[in-house]
Amino acid sequence: QVQLVESGGGVVEPGRSLRLSCATSGFPFSNYGIHWVRQAPGKGLDWVAIIWYDGSKKYYADSVKGRFTISRDNSKNTVFVQMNSLRDEDTAVYYCARCSGGDLGPPDYWGQGTLVTVSS
Amino acid sequence: QSALTQPRSVSGSPGQSVTISCTGTSSDVGGYYYVSWYQQVPGKAPKLMIYDVSKRPSGVPDRFSGSKSGTTASLTISGLLPQDEADYYCCSYAGGLYVFGTGTKVTVL
Repeated sequence: QVQLVESGGGVVEPGRSLRLSCATSGFPFSNYGIHWVRQAPGKGLDWVAIIWYDGSKKYYADSVKGRFTISRDNSKNTVFVQMNSLRDEDTAVYYCARCSGGDLGPPDYWGQGTLVTVSS
Repeated sequence: QSALTQPRSVSGSPGQSVTISCTGTSSDVGGYYYVSWYQQVPGKAPKLMIYDVSKRPSGVPDRFSGSKSGTTASLTISGLLPQDEADYYCCSYAGGLYVFGTGTKVTVL
């Protein structure tokens, strides 16, 4: 079955960096794009970034552009997001999700999320 | 990249129908036939209910239906059941990137 498992969350001070991982299984990883979506405590879903199946295209929300970098390792079926210059407002549960239909579709299968808390 | 606009809450009695609207712009909802809807219960990951405006993934009951007119998409839940009580989010493709709606809490009275 399709599985996505996020890891790497934790408590970090403002201005510092963190790297999240999304390990996948149960589907041909190199054929699918992957999204990152976040949800601040008690708030709605907030789309963060997407990477195409082959890593050739990446798109970011304006709120994270220039600070976050999405990447993938198709040999390890894993996607990463490097988060730099973290701000209080980046505090959220971060979900990775598979693109339905392959390269650029909306999220279909989701992980359970990893909590990132930015606080001094 | 402004969030799509949804009503904060809607409610209905068991067996009734409710409709949730999702208003965007010509750069997102109005420009593409790629609107999806998600159901989220507290503490859980979202679940895809509708994609490509009106298509249902395998396993989603046909009580859930989607449509779009211009820059507004809609999700209708027919024959409300207690287990439909949850938060619902729309999501639209916006030319490479995506944008979510503000979310709607559905209450079954």
